[in-house]
Amino acid sequence: DIQMTQSPSSLSASVGDRVTITCRASQYISSYLNWYQQKPGKAPNLLIYAASNLHGGVPSRFSGSGSGTDFTLTLSSLQPEDFATYYCQQSYNTPRTFGQGTKVEIK
Amino acid sequence: EVQLLESGGGLVQPGGSLRLSCAASGFTFNSHAMSWVRQAPGKGLEWVSGISGSGGRTDYADSVKGRFTISRDNAKSTLYLQMNSLRVEDTAVYYCAKDPGGQYELLLQPFDSWGQGTLVTVSS
Repeated sequence: DIQMTQSPSSLSASVGDRVTITCRASQYISSYLNWYQQKPGKAPNLLIYAASNLHGGVPSRFSGSGSGTDFTLTLSSLQPEDFATYYCQQSYNTPRTFGQGTKVEIK
Repeated sequence: EVQLLESGGGLVQPGGSLRLSCAASGFTFNSHAMSWVRQAPGKGLEWVSGISGSGGRTDYADSVKGRFTISRDNAKSTLYLQMNSLRVEDTAVYYCAKDPGGQYELLLQPFDSWGQGTLVTVSS
């Protein structure tokens, strides 16, 4: 199975901050990398697919980049509704594995 | 609007069985592969099983292979997960999730819609 490793596991930030989360795959996955946001007690929501494509309705302050094994999710200006846990997921090979999550908390 | 509504969760003893259902609406159900993804309490996400839109292709995580069976009834727009020989480590919220495509094959795609989840607790 392809292992996905996110860093950091958690971070504290303020409204308006620029936040970057990284995700590393244990092997080459081209651009088959997706990002999800999950709020407490809720289902995950797709943010970005194929490394850099914004899913419908997702604000443009979210962006993704990377290819191969290293990827980043960037929030250009953190908003109150962005405090949540973020997961990366590879869809290059089965099983479609997830990272362990990055919790973004209010500073 | 896509809606996915899971049901069937509950408390079951180790070794027991449970069948989860996911009622879908708002899209052409048989044109989309579907999956079950679970999340143990306080933990991350784990893909469990997937099925193509036609039902002809299925796939399972090693952790559930031989114990869980995924199926679908396209006439009822409903996805199922039959869980047998349940273990304590199967305790989790189980989500059904929709692929953007995958009518005849299990394409490796992101999950573009999710249900609200149903809690399965395996405990004596």
